[in-house]
Amino acid sequence: DGGITQSPKYLFRKEGQNVTLSCEQNLNHDAMYWYRQDPGQGLRLIYYSQIVNDFQKGDIAEGYSVSREKKESFPLTVTSAQKNPTAFYLCASRGTGPEAFFGQGTRLTVV
Amino acid sequence: GEDVEQSLFLSVREGDSSVINCTYTDSSSTYLYWYKQEPGAGLQLLTYIFSNMDMKQDQRLTVLLNKKDKHLSLRIADTQTGDSAIYFCAESSSNDYKLSFGAGTTVTVRA
Repeated sequence: DGGITQSPKYLFRKEGQNVTLSCEQNLNHDAMYWYRQDPGQGLRLIYYSQIVNDFQKGDIAEGYSVSREKKESFPLTVTSAQKNPTAFYLCASRGTGPEAFFGQGTRLTVV
Repeated sequence: GEDVEQSLFLSVREGDSSVINCTYTDSSSTYLYWYKQEPGAGLQLLTYIFSNMDMKQDQRLTVLLNKKDKHLSLRIADTQTGDSAIYFCAESSSNDYKLSFGAGTTVTVRA
């Protein structure tokens, strides 16, 4: 069945390490997005990609990097430069319409 | 960025109607959305409305838009315990469909 898959569901990182969060979709959507959610706050946009091999910074891109080599995949790397990486990360995709659909999220904790 | 504001909490009795309110500031908003988030999960798109519409109804959900006042509301009829969740209001423009979110309204349904 079609959908957006994020993995892993939980991720622990030591300070100073880079980690990569996976986001895969089989909906044939061109656009994909990464958001960060902190307790009591709305979601904030990290990066987005409107088409393969192209992506743009969102509102809080510092300390993160992405790639979009395949239409189905939009991995997010949280680098050691991200000062406060502990958060819930959500990936979304959008087809030709205005509706964006979300994955189940990855909860990242720095230990 | 654009501001989207919501009240943080709503408590409602089972069987009553719930009304969740949202205000936004970006006059170029093209689409306005309501998402639902259950604990530890991703966001589920409930409904969205185009900015030239006043109202949209979908089963138990009614969305009202007052574009002049930049006010959006979501009414849930016959609220059930399964409706307990965080509800996010969001807006986007048709240029890039980046979503700007409110902080979310936590709805608690009591027996």
